Amino acid sequence: GENVEQHPSTLSVQEGDSAVIKCTYSDSASNYFPWYKQELGKRPQLIIDIRSNVGEKKDQRIAVTLNKTAKHFSLHITETQPEDSAVYFCADLSGGYNKLIFGAGTRLAVHP
Amino acid sequence: DGGITQSPKYLFRKEGQNVTLSCEQNLNHDAMYWYRQDPGQGLRLIYYSQIVNDFQKGDIAEGYSVSREKKESFPLTVTSAQKNPTAFYLCASSMATNEKLFFGSGTQLSVL
Repeated sequence: GENVEQHPSTLSVQEGDSAVIKCTYSDSASNYFPWYKQELGKRPQLIIDIRSNVGEKKDQRIAVTLNKTAKHFSLHITETQPEDSAVYFCADLSGGYNKLIFGAGTRLAVHP
Repeated sequence: DGGITQSPKYLFRKEGQNVTLSCEQNLNHDAMYWYRQDPGQGLRLIYYSQIVNDFQKGDIAEGYSVSREKKESFPLTVTSAQKNPTAFYLCASSMATNEKLFFGSGTQLSVL
């Protein structure tokens, strides 16, 4: 069935460095790709999303890129700060199943 | 608190008991969802509802039931048939189905 593979599962960076999280999907009909951030003990919150007709989208220090041919999309965080420490989930809206499929999450730790 | 409220925050279930998790939203969203979150895993869809008086099973609906009698409310019942109910349960809502989900703060369900 449809699934989303997310890598890495944990990521540790120094403050100011960049962080990249990658997700690979299997449904070629997928057309919407959101990223959610979940801080410890808090609810997931949407931080950025992209549609399949766009290759890249930026919002301040975060960006998402989409490669439809290779069926993968990535979250890029530049100039990381300690408050970026959280679990990040990617998801794709499977066209065939009409539901969001979530990745397993990446635990990002930003060290001062 | 953010327009979508889950209660209780913690819930304990005895063997053979049904328990109901509450989810209320005042965002005027049509779509509502229940997800289960287990450690180290992504969010898995239990049930969703696109409109009042209608709902569909997600990937792991067995042992759960829902109702959608009002637009604002989407309670989830964990029945005694759910043999491994210990998990963090997240409710969400959105204006457009599957896009820009707003999550509640979650309910941690444990078995006594």
